[in-house]
Amino acid sequence: DADVTQTPRNRITKTGKRIMLECSQTKGHDRMYWYRQDPGLGLRLIYYSFDVKDINKGEISDGYSVSRQAQAKFSLSLESAIPNQTALYFCATSDPLSHIDETQYFGPGTRLLVL
Amino acid sequence: DQQVKQNSPSLSVQEGRISILNCDYTNSMFDYFLWYKKYPAEGPTFLISISSIKDKNEDGRFTVFLNKSAKHLSLHIVPSQPGDSAVYFCAGTYANAGGTSYGKLTFGQGTILTVHP
Repeated sequence: DADVTQTPRNRITKTGKRIMLECSQTKGHDRMYWYRQDPGLGLRLIYYSFDVKDINKGEISDGYSVSRQAQAKFSLSLESAIPNQTALYFCATSDPLSHIDETQYFGPGTRLLVL
Repeated sequence: DQQVKQNSPSLSVQEGRISILNCDYTNSMFDYFLWYKKYPAEGPTFLISISSIKDKNEDGRFTVFLNKSAKHLSLHIVPSQPGDSAVYFCAGTYANAGGTSYGKLTFGQGTILTVHP
């Protein structure tokens, strides 16, 4: 079984709808992240959480909200979806013991299309 | 403000030859760099990393070089194999004042590598 899972894998929605993307991990990591990937722009950080009580905005948090329900679960919500939120969304986890290991482990992604 | 730039959107290489992927950064605070590989319909996977106290790190066919004065790093793949065909992202990060992990990665745009048999 995959260590980091995302549901749904694909989603089509309409402008103005509220949707939630979910992420679960079995790695036991405290840190979780949400990124979006757009062609030509790489991965950009939306929100990140260093533990259940710690939520932080990334570089492109406008229009998004998150919920850290448990150590293993981190959900991303689009309160009112708009077409320019059409993108590939990735969840990631990490648990660096020191600065030596910054490795983040990514889920398979959710492809979102907002019509 | 693109703090990490991969100026080559794509690279095509013959099997067995060397692939060189380049990455430039502007944030002087970055002190740790990573390369990720991404296949279609999958999430990125970690490939290799380098600390700013080094100028080279090698792992099998993969070597990353860091030139701090030029704010430039490169990934060398020797020899290239068709299975290396993927999108490659470089990323930079830095520690907080206490020296512990800051935990945020800044990614480049990615380079599509195609290795022809």
